[in-house]
Amino acid sequence: AQSVSQHNHHVILSEAASLELGCNYSYGGTVNLFWYVQYPGQHLQLLLKYFSGDPLVKGIKGFEAEFIKSKFSFNLRKPSVQWSDTAEYFCAVMPSTGGFKTIFGAGTRLFVKA
Amino acid sequence: GAVVSQHPSWVICKSGTSVKIECRSLDFQATTMFWYRQFPKQSLMLMATSNEGSKATYEQGVEKDKFLINHASLTLSTLTVTSAHPEDSSFYICSAQGGRTSYEQYFGPGTRLTVT
Repeated sequence: AQSVSQHNHHVILSEAASLELGCNYSYGGTVNLFWYVQYPGQHLQLLLKYFSGDPLVKGIKGFEAEFIKSKFSFNLRKPSVQWSDTAEYFCAVMPSTGGFKTIFGAGTRLFVKA
Repeated sequence: GAVVSQHPSWVICKSGTSVKIECRSLDFQATTMFWYRQFPKQSLMLMATSNEGSKATYEQGVEKDKFLINHASLTLSTLTVTSAHPEDSSFYICSAQGGRTSYEQYFGPGTRLTVT
């Protein structure tokens, strides 16, 4: 069965620290990849996406993610986090076959200390 | 940007009653809408995929007779929780596919259902 694994359930960082959130998926075919963010009390928002082309994608608010096909990974990074990045982050995978169905990881709660 | 609304945002109902939740794409036509359920501190679990004008496709383990989905137009999908029980209490989120990039999903703010 297709699945998405996020390695860290909770991450606590100080402001200006670097962030990397791991995401691995299990699916052998072509995929579209996403990171979504859910700020406290708000709904899910798209952070960045990968469909094809350059495997290093840049999203909003200084986030980026790298698709490594051989490792089935799509890790999220930010060089210097801010207090306002406190949120829950979800990695999601949309297999190219499957009618746009998206599979979400369990989420990672990030808390940034001011 | 693409906006998806849900109504109501919060509902409390008694056990045995039915509750209808609406999901609307406000500024684009959504060919496909998805319904998710999110338990506290857990990820989104896809319940069903709804295509305008056709029957919804339910995920394994989701009772289609309990969670009725209707996608009557390109901007509206409804989820009706029939004969609700306390274990149906959850956060229900819809998303709509469409807009400028068909692969993107735009999420509604969610509906918190509490069954007493």
